[in-house]
Amino acid sequence: GESVGLHLPTLSVQEGDNSIINCAYSNSASDYFIWYKQESGKGPQFIIDIRSNMDKRQGQRVTVLLNKTVKHLSLQIAATQPGDSAVYFCAEIPYDKIIFGKGTRLHILP
Amino acid sequence: DGGITQSPKYLFRKEGQNVTLSCEQNLNHDAMYWYRQDPGQGLRLIYYSQIVNDFQKGDIAEGYSVSREKKESFPLTVTSAQKNPTAFYLCASSKGWNQPQHFGDGTRLSIL
Repeated sequence: GESVGLHLPTLSVQEGDNSIINCAYSNSASDYFIWYKQESGKGPQFIIDIRSNMDKRQGQRVTVLLNKTVKHLSLQIAATQPGDSAVYFCAEIPYDKIIFGKGTRLHILP
Repeated sequence: DGGITQSPKYLFRKEGQNVTLSCEQNLNHDAMYWYRQDPGQGLRLIYYSQIVNDFQKGDIAEGYSVSREKKESFPLTVTSAQKNPTAFYLCASSKGWNQPQHFGDGTRLSIL
């Protein structure tokens, strides 16, 4: 089976509830941030992005919040569904490189 | 549909053998990347290319080689010098560094 995602922190959420996944980024020079979703056996899929001149950005059922003071990024998923089950990870882009976080597994409880 | 295609999905390597992983994109992206993904770790950059006929080493290039003869294609060779090649390999492309990277569905490489 797919071994990516082993040893990752896991967030368990009841179906229908909201999910909040957090990410602490490392480089204060980072000015662009991306959230990805990775399902088992597949490549990461772009969810939403935000640039450093914004604090909040909303998409369809997802919201990203950026707190530059404490270098913290969060992804909120509204009304979590079984199809949201995956590993979620953030990416920060300072200058000309991209740094990926290790990820959080989102587990949906029936 | 536009996207990135990686092949094969599963690959097995024998001792002392070089293997090549394919990555093709029809998104008209200039930049392409190869990453290695191991359990419990973030993606690690192997090589990247920002333009045809040019590529740069990433953080873990030893034991790997690439070529970029066409804009659409960025194959990765895992050489016999890579002593721990078992991993999930992901190819990505983007318009530029400050743009989202789009990923293929990966190739899982194992040792026989």
